[in-house]
Parts: sequence; C-alpha cells; structure tokens
Amino acid sequence: DSGVTQTPKHLITATGQRVTLRCSPRSGDLSVYWYQQSLDQGLQFLIQYYNGEERAKGNILERFSAQQFPDLHSELNLSSLELGDSALYFCASSVRQDNSPLHFGNGTRLTVT
Amino acid sequence: GESVGLHLPTLSVQEGDNSIINCAYSNSASDYFIWYKQESGKGPQFIIDIRSNMDKRQGQRVTVLLNKTVKHLSLQIAATQPGDSAVYFCAESDNSGYSTLTFGKGTMLLVSP
Repeated sequence: DSGVTQTPKHLITATGQRVTLRCSPRSGDLSVYWYQQSLDQGLQFLIQYYNGEERAKGNILERFSAQQFPDLHSELNLSSLELGDSALYFCASSVRQDNSPLHFGNGTRLTVT
Repeated sequence: GESVGLHLPTLSVQEGDNSIINCAYSNSASDYFIWYKQESGKGPQFIIDIRSNMDKRQGQRVTVLLNKTVKHLSLQIAATQPGDSAVYFCAESDNSGYSTLTFGKGTMLLVSP
C-alpha cells in the first residue's frame, strides 16, 4: 500500500459531463501529481502541485483543471468529457518537489460512454 | 485483469532465471531515473531509482545500470519469481528542479513457474 488514496475507483459517465477525481497524498507528502494512463499513450503527466501551489504543467487539456487544498488533498476536474478521455487517472505524491520517488495511488478508471 | 497497454514488448522467463529489462531514454538533460512495477489493477509501484552521478545501484534482488553515453537504462532482477510478473516502466526526470517524470512505454515481464 503506497499510502496514496484515490476515489472513486471506477467512474462511468456520458459525453459532455463533468467529473471530479479525488486524491489524498501520503502523510507528510507536500507534492501531488496527476497522470493519465491510456492504452495508446502510456503514462502522461498532467499537472503538479506543491503545498497548494501549481508547480508544473504537462499535457493537460484546457477542459481539465486541478487544485490542491490546505489539507493537501487534491482534486482533478474533468469537464465536457469526450470518449477519448476514457483512461486511468493516477495521483502520486512525494515529500519534495524536486527529484524524488513518486508514490502512486491505485487510480480512478474513467469510462466515458 | 486489466491491461495497461497493448503491444508491449514482452519478456518471458522461467522462475529462478535472472531478468534484464532495458530502456532507452532520449533527453540528455535527464539526471534522475526510476523503475516502476505495475501489476494489473494497481498503480505503479516504486522499485529503485538512480541519479546521473551513478552508474549502478543495487537493491534487494534488483540492480539498475545507467549508461549515460548511450542513454540506456536497465533493470536486472535476480532469481525472478512469479510474483515479479508485471509491466515495468522506466521513467526519467530532467534537472528542472521539479519531479515531473516522463515514462517509457513499458515492458511486460511474464514469469513461468
């Protein structure tokens, strides 16, 4: 168990809808990262937060947004969903914001129908 | 179980054999490298990491080798066990100061009893 908790485990929704994915990092970790894993693209970095502030952005669509709250949990909001957004979404956390191991949760599987 | 990718390179070994999984990276600025193991239905699990000032690092039954000249990384697993069956990803991070890992496509390791 990595100590990173993601909810929900599964999410099925329709195109055009909006969903929120939630992540609780490991105790003591200040950095939170979001990754998307699809069959054809592998693991893609979306966004990173450190102690409540956005630190780095990857290939995150404008329809997607995230935030990290004062208690350090994070939410990833996906809106105007398309079929191609179906994927596994992983949250990871680390102690620091520089090069250190990321510890991943077990992901949220999003299916857009 | 869930598949994390189609058409992944696959390495099939017998229980007790040593396994070597290879990874090529392209970013010369990368200075931090990690190997992850992903089992079906779970998030990536940290195995071992290495910084660019090292050529080799050993853990329990695993060794990571880094060849910066040819931008090549390998993971050696000694006395491979059926529980080692999973998809293995290498990941790299550059010296931007933020741990935004870039993942490779992955290699599936299948261990036969």
